[in-house]
Amino acid sequence: GAVVSQHPSRVICKSGTSVKIECRSLDFQATTMFWYRQFPKQSLMLMATSNEGSKATYEQGVEKDKFLINHASLTLSTLTVTSAHPEDSSFYICSARPVQETQYFGPGTRLLVL
Amino acid sequence: QKEVEQDPGPLSVPEGAIVSLNCTYSNSAFQYFMWYRQYSRKGPELLMYTYSSGNKEDGRFTAQVDKSSKYISLFIRDSQPSDSATYLCASGSGSARQLTFGSGTQLTVLP
Repeated sequence: GAVVSQHPSRVICKSGTSVKIECRSLDFQATTMFWYRQFPKQSLMLMATSNEGSKATYEQGVEKDKFLINHASLTLSTLTVTSAHPEDSSFYICSARPVQETQYFGPGTRLLVL
Repeated sequence: QKEVEQDPGPLSVPEGAIVSLNCTYSNSAFQYFMWYRQYSRKGPELLMYTYSSGNKEDGRFTAQVDKSSKYISLFIRDSQPSDSATYLCASGSGSARQLTFGSGTQLTVLP
């Protein structure tokens, strides 16, 4: 149980385009999902907390107009990187929180902006 | 000071060794503690979850929490090359929705 999926697993796009990443909890409902970014050999950096039915909460320094988050249902949150630039290239990971305190992570999405 | 401190390593051990991974935390409100394992280019995988102080064992893995000293440990017995990964500790409290992660320790088990 507690499986989280992400799609796509890898995406390459041109600078200036927008990219949408989906995060799904497959066998549980998650009122809260989290989006992280991870650069090579670095730890997870929390970007935002996604709340079902309400606006996401962004961490300091994360541009909410650039990283659009939608948590439309109890099993789906999406992260859209708008007008992506090469510096946005990173590994994006979501996690979902069931009613317990733990978080379960998705497999990650590798974004490369050319 | 970070709320959760973790030695980044890297740590290299021979196959079969006992591995000790450690974290310290500063927030007294933290009540639950986790260890995640992350292979290269993959999402973190939950290994152990502990609530409050004490030990928890699962196969070759033992998690220890000492709330008096704010110390979190993960022991791996009979380490295998497949244990080579980055290990992240994480802590949280009931009032906080999000976990606070350590920076991760990179472990290599040599065959």
